[in-house]
Amino acid sequence: TQLLEQSPQFLSIQEGENLTVYCNSSSVFSSLQWYRQEPGEGPVLLVTVVTGGEVKKLKRLTFQFGDARKDSSLHITAAQPGDTGLYLCAGEGTSYGKLTFGQGTILTVHP
Amino acid sequence: KAGVTQTPRYLIKTRGQQVTLSCSPISGHRSVSWYQQTPGQGLQFLFEYFSETQRNKGNFPGRFSGRQFSNSRSEMNVSTLELGDSALYLCASRVDTTNTGELFFGEGSRLTVL
Repeated sequence: TQLLEQSPQFLSIQEGENLTVYCNSSSVFSSLQWYRQEPGEGPVLLVTVVTGGEVKKLKRLTFQFGDARKDSSLHITAAQPGDTGLYLCAGEGTSYGKLTFGQGTILTVHP
Repeated sequence: KAGVTQTPRYLIKTRGQQVTLSCSPISGHRSVSWYQQTPGQGLQFLFEYFSETQRNKGNFPGRFSGRQFSNSRSEMNVSTLELGDSALYLCASRVDTTNTGELFFGEGSRLTVL
């Protein structure tokens, strides 16, 4: 059974601070995806990383995929209140349509 | 382009009843997956359908079932409801036949079992 350990579970910071969310597994994934979910809505894809060692930047968000494709991180620079939400990592293997999700990180950015 | 549509958005049932949830994927998307989201377990994979065939199934009891129609619309059914079935049920669709391409999630159907 593939598992993804996501940490921290909760993060409460002030506007302007930096933060990093981690996603770790003992399993290898063909791709790792990061989602953001707002209350009352479904998850929305932020990025997909597929190559070991890959780094992708999306404005103030930086995503890394570990060399062995077992772990990933999301780094947010100068967090803003609009970044508040639930962040989810999800790994995909060769099993059709199945994403293995981490438990999620609830981020609160205070003005 | 319309997104993934799930109905109903909210429903309340009592233990022992059954429920059917519906999902209309994005036009042109033939793969539909279902997930259960709870505060304790997070998002867990239920099953995936492609061209009316279930290709994959998660670790849920047989009370959870689904199907897909020729127009790619999908339904999931939960029979003999238990309190623990209270959750947000999410449907996601993608266009590809393989495990590539973005998954688009609907807003979910929130089921409360009393």
